[in-house]
Amino acid sequence: AQSVTQLGSHVSVSEGALVLLRCNYSSSVPPYLFWYVQYPNQGLQLLLKYTSAATLVKGINGFEAEFKKSETSFHLTKPSAHMSDAAEYFCAVSEPGGSARQLTFGSGTQLTVLP
Amino acid sequence: GAGVSQSPSNKVTEKGKDVELRCDPISGHTALYWYRQSLGQGLEFLIYFQGNSAPDKSGLPSDRFSAERTGESVSTLTIQRTQQEDSAVYLCASSPGVLTEAFFGQGTRLTVV
Repeated sequence: AQSVTQLGSHVSVSEGALVLLRCNYSSSVPPYLFWYVQYPNQGLQLLLKYTSAATLVKGINGFEAEFKKSETSFHLTKPSAHMSDAAEYFCAVSEPGGSARQLTFGSGTQLTVLP
Repeated sequence: GAGVSQSPSNKVTEKGKDVELRCDPISGHTALYWYRQSLGQGLEFLIYFQGNSAPDKSGLPSDRFSAERTGESVSTLTIQRTQQEDSAVYLCASSPGVLTEAFFGQGTRLTVV
C-alpha cells in the first residue's frame, strides 16, 4: 500500500527566503510522485512530477523537487519565496504497475509568506 | 472543454436530502477521480474510473455514496440522505491515462444544514 506523509501542516517563511516543504512516501514499488498547489477557493494545480526519469525535477513558478530513494523523500523547494506562493501544497504518490490505481495525497502543508 | 468542469460550484442542502454532483472531464481523458476535501483536511479518495474497467470504489465512506460514469464522459456523484458530516468540497479530476498527472476541477462546495 502507498502512503504519503507531509511534515508540518503549516510553514511560514519570509519573502525572499528559501521554501522547503517536506514529503516522505511509502510504496511497495518505485513510485510516481507529484506536487500540487491549491490557491484559495480553487482546484489543485500540478507543480511538478517525478516518473522515474531525472531525480531532480523542475516545475512551474521556480519550484523543484528531488527524489531520494534512500530517504524515501520528495521534498519541494524554491530558492526565494514570493508573496504569491502563499497557498496549500499537496504531495501525492501513485504506484506504476501496482494494484493501487488512485493517487494518494498527503494531508497538505499551508505555506504562509511573510513580508 | 478546456478543463475539468464541475457543477454546481456551491450547493446548500437540508439534512436528509439527496444531492447529485456533476463532473465533466477533459475530452479524451480515460481516468476520472472523485476526492473529498473537508475543512482543514487533506484529500480523501472516494472513487476512480478508468475506461470501461470496473470502478475502484474502495474510498466511498458509506453506502449513501455512489457514482456513475458513462463511458469516458460525464460522471455524477450521488449522496443520499445527506448528513452534516458530508459537508466538504468535492473535487473531480481526470487524466489521460493511468498514472499520469490528474487535472482537477474547481470543486463543488457542499454544505448540509
